[in-house]
Amino acid sequence: NAGVTQTPKFQVLKTGQSMTLQCAQDMNHNSMYWYRQDPGMGLRLIYYSASEGTTDKGEVPNGYNVSRLNKREFSLRLESAAPSQTSVYFCASSESGYETQYFGPGTRLLVL
Amino acid sequence: DAKTTQPPSMDCAEGRAANLPCNHSTISGNEYVYWYRQIHSQGPQYIIHGLKNNETNEMASLIITEDRKSSTLILPHATLRDTAVYYCIAQLTGGSWGKLQFGAGTQVVVTP
Repeated sequence: NAGVTQTPKFQVLKTGQSMTLQCAQDMNHNSMYWYRQDPGMGLRLIYYSASEGTTDKGEVPNGYNVSRLNKREFSLRLESAAPSQTSVYFCASSESGYETQYFGPGTRLLVL
Repeated sequence: DAKTTQPPSMDCAEGRAANLPCNHSTISGNEYVYWYRQIHSQGPQYIIHGLKNNETNEMASLIITEDRKSSTLILPHATLRDTAVYYCIAQLTGGSWGKLQFGAGTQVVVTP
C-alpha cells in the first residue's frame, strides 16, 4: 500500500516548455487534489477532482490544466511553463471532499 | 470556511509537552478543526481532527473550547522528529464539500 505517489520527484524546465506531473493513489479514494507550495508559504489549491469524471478550479488555476484519468490517477499539466510556476507541487487524495487528506511526497519544479 | 490564526513559531524542549494554540472565532457549526503537520520538504501529514469533544490518538490530543472559538494541539512528549510546521484548519463537513485552506502555520522547533 504505497498511498499517494508522484512522478517525477524533481524537474527542471525552460520557459515555454510543457510537462505533466503524474499522481496516483491506491486507497480507492474518490477525491483528489493538486496544491502548490512556494518558499515560506502554506499550500494553495490549484485544482481538485471531487469524484471520477469531474474537475474544478481551486485558488490558483491559471496556467494549469488537469485530467482525472480514472479513479486512481490525477495529472497536472503545464502547457507553457513560466518562472512563476517554480514551486513544490503536492498531490493529495481523500475518501470524499470533507475527509482527511493524504499527501504525496511532492514534485520540485524549477522553471528557468 | 473559517479563518484560523496561529502563532508563527514556538520552541519546545525535548521530552516536554508542546501546546499549540489556534484561534478560529468564526468557525461554523458544521466545520471540523483539523491539524496537519509538514516536516521539512515532505508532504503534509494528518495528525488529528475534532468537532466539539476533545480527541486523542497515538500522535496527539486536541482540546476544543466549549464555544469552539479556539483549540489547542498537545504533543505530550515532544521529540526532535516533531520539529515541523503545524497547520490548524477549519474544514466543512457533513454534506458540504470542503477544501483545505492552509495558512502559514506554526513553526515548531524541538530542542535537545
